[in-house]
Amino acid sequence: DTGVSQNPRHKITKRGQNVTFRCDPISEHNRLYWYRQTLGQGPEFLTYFQNEAQLEKSRLLSDRFSAERPKGSFSTLEIQRTEQGDSAMYLCASSSWDRGYNEQFFGPGTRLTVL
Amino acid sequence: GENVEQHPSTLSVQEGDSAVIKCTYSDSASNYFPWYKQELGKRPQLIIDIRSNVGEKKDQRIAVTLNKTAKHFSLHITETQPEDSAVYFCAASDSGNTPLVFGKGTRLSVIA
Repeated sequence: DTGVSQNPRHKITKRGQNVTFRCDPISEHNRLYWYRQTLGQGPEFLTYFQNEAQLEKSRLLSDRFSAERPKGSFSTLEIQRTEQGDSAMYLCASSSWDRGYNEQFFGPGTRLTVL
Repeated sequence: GENVEQHPSTLSVQEGDSAVIKCTYSDSASNYFPWYKQELGKRPQLIIDIRSNVGEKKDQRIAVTLNKTAKHFSLHITETQPEDSAVYFCAASDSGNTPLVFGKGTRLSVIA
């Protein structure tokens, strides 16, 4: 499968614990995006990367959230001291800027439940 | 920042009828307007997109129209089929390679 992949697909954690999600983009894509989607809402932008450089962070991204893309390939999103309000689907997407092809391809998401 | 409004939130149509979903945006700098389809439990998938230098684009039963002056764009699905049932999201950005701002979605039900 050459699409965007995310792991784990589901994560259940207790309030106060730390969690980390991984996203593997389409291999030739140099832009990678993180979005969060809650029930009945559209995806909301969190942050994005060009290669290993983090270009922008949304004001939705509190200090408890950190993302990195150390070698410009896969990315991780860590949430520290999780809160019940963090429960959501975390979606990763990628696109290829160099080729001028604008479509963002989404992964299947990681569903986080904070108890 | 950009704000995208989408209407209606739910839409039921008979199989074979047409469906229209409308979106408005606020930022005149937006130039790229994709539409994504999300089936239950699955990832959003692009079904059609339009850039600001084009007023209309069609792909088989799906078409999108854009009015930059009025800052609104619409999705048209003709000859609807049960497999068209899903949640549809409109979005906007200044280019496809920058963060998308999504509408809240429209749940389309096609009744056989």
